[in-house]
Amino acid sequence: QVQLVQSGAEVKKPGASVRVSCKASGYTFTSYYIHWVRQAPGQGLEWVGVINPGDGTTTSAQKFQGRVTMTRDTSTRTVYMELSSLRSEDTAVYYCARGNSDSLLDYWGQGTLVTVSS
Amino acid sequence: DIVMTQSPDSLAVSLGERATINCKSSQSVLFRSNNKNYLAWYQQKPGQPPKLLIYWASTRESGVPDRFSGSGSGTDFTLTISGLQAEDVAVYYCQQFYITPTFGQGTKLEIK
Repeated sequence: QVQLVQSGAEVKKPGASVRVSCKASGYTFTSYYIHWVRQAPGQGLEWVGVINPGDGTTTSAQKFQGRVTMTRDTSTRTVYMELSSLRSEDTAVYYCARGNSDSLLDYWGQGTLVTVSS
Repeated sequence: DIVMTQSPDSLAVSLGERATINCKSSQSVLFRSNNKNYLAWYQQKPGQPPKLLIYWASTRESGVPDRFSGSGSGTDFTLTISGLQAEDVAVYYCQQFYITPTFGQGTKLEIK
């Protein structure tokens, strides 16, 4: 069965960077995109960006451009999302989700809480 | 970006009754070449990730009960839950995947 397993919770200081991982199993890794979506406490869903594990190409939401880096390791079927220059507003649960070519998100990871606090 | 606006922000419905959630997009999400609406609905329960319920505006994901139905086209869409059950308490989000994905603000569904 399809599974996306994310790394554990992180606590970071303002200005630092965080890297969250998402390990995929149960399907052909390079045939589906991996999206990142975040959810601030008590808030709605916000799309961060997407990576194509097949060729490594990425697209991110305009507000994160320059701060987010998405990479993949095909040997371990793992995708990484790094967010830099963290500020308190980046405190959120970050989800990875599998998407088809139409950005329909059919399977989601369990979420990773990133807390930014001095 | 396409802005998605849901209504209401919250609603309370009695068990067994019908719940209706609306979603409006700031521009059409109907792709003319295949006549498909690039609109999905997700359900999120506390402490859980979102779960895909409906895509192409009206196609239920495998395993989703048939009391969940979606309708609409272009810019106006509706999620209907017929015969509300206790386990349907959740926040529901619409999402357009016509271009860069965007979500509605969510609708919190509770039992009256």
